[in-house]
Amino acid sequence: AQSVTQLGSHVSVSEGALVLLRCNYSSSVPPYLFWYVQYPNQGLQLLLKYTSAATLVKGINGFEAEFKKSETSFHLTKPSAHMSDAAEYFCAVSGKDTGFQKLVFGTGTRLLVSP
Amino acid sequence: DTEVTQTPKHLVMGMTNKKSLKCEQHMGHRAMYWYKQKAKKPPELMFVYSYEKLSINESVPSRFSPECPNSSLLNLHLHALQPEDSALYLCASSLFQGRNSYEQYFGPGTRLTVT
Repeated sequence: AQSVTQLGSHVSVSEGALVLLRCNYSSSVPPYLFWYVQYPNQGLQLLLKYTSAATLVKGINGFEAEFKKSETSFHLTKPSAHMSDAAEYFCAVSGKDTGFQKLVFGTGTRLLVSP
Repeated sequence: DTEVTQTPKHLVMGMTNKKSLKCEQHMGHRAMYWYKQKAKKPPELMFVYSYEKLSINESVPSRFSPECPNSSLLNLHLHALQPEDSALYLCASSLFQGRNSYEQYFGPGTRLTVT
């Protein structure tokens, strides 16, 4: 079955520092991978998605992620953190194993940004 | 317009009450979803509708009853809920086309409290 693992339930960075949120996937078939962000008491917002068209995916708000098949990873990065980036981030996978309509979420990573 | 709307934003109900949550989208999406999210956890899929037909029920108790009256609307009818059903209920929608996985667009959620 397809699944994702997010390493680190909390990540703390200073404003202006590099953001790196880790996601590793498990899949026997090419997966579809997504990153979502959730601000307090809000729904989820799509940051970016990987659908095999390109391994480096650029998303909104300056975020990007690189699909690395050899490492089964899809880490999320942003060169310079802003205070407004503080939120919960979820990596998710779907595809043939889970069912194309099912998103399987990781446990989430809370990003804390200090001034 | 990439907006999914949900009403009400907050709902408090007793265990003997009957209430309904409403979700609406006008993106032409033919797949719609209900998720339940407990605090500090990822969303859990409850139901999926594809072309107004229930296609996935994740073994949800019968006190939750979904309905899809047309391609833009999704309801979740609630009856005889338990305090442990208190959560954020998220609606989402996406394109649907057989063996492809598309990003889901989430609404802001309904915060449900069962007393």
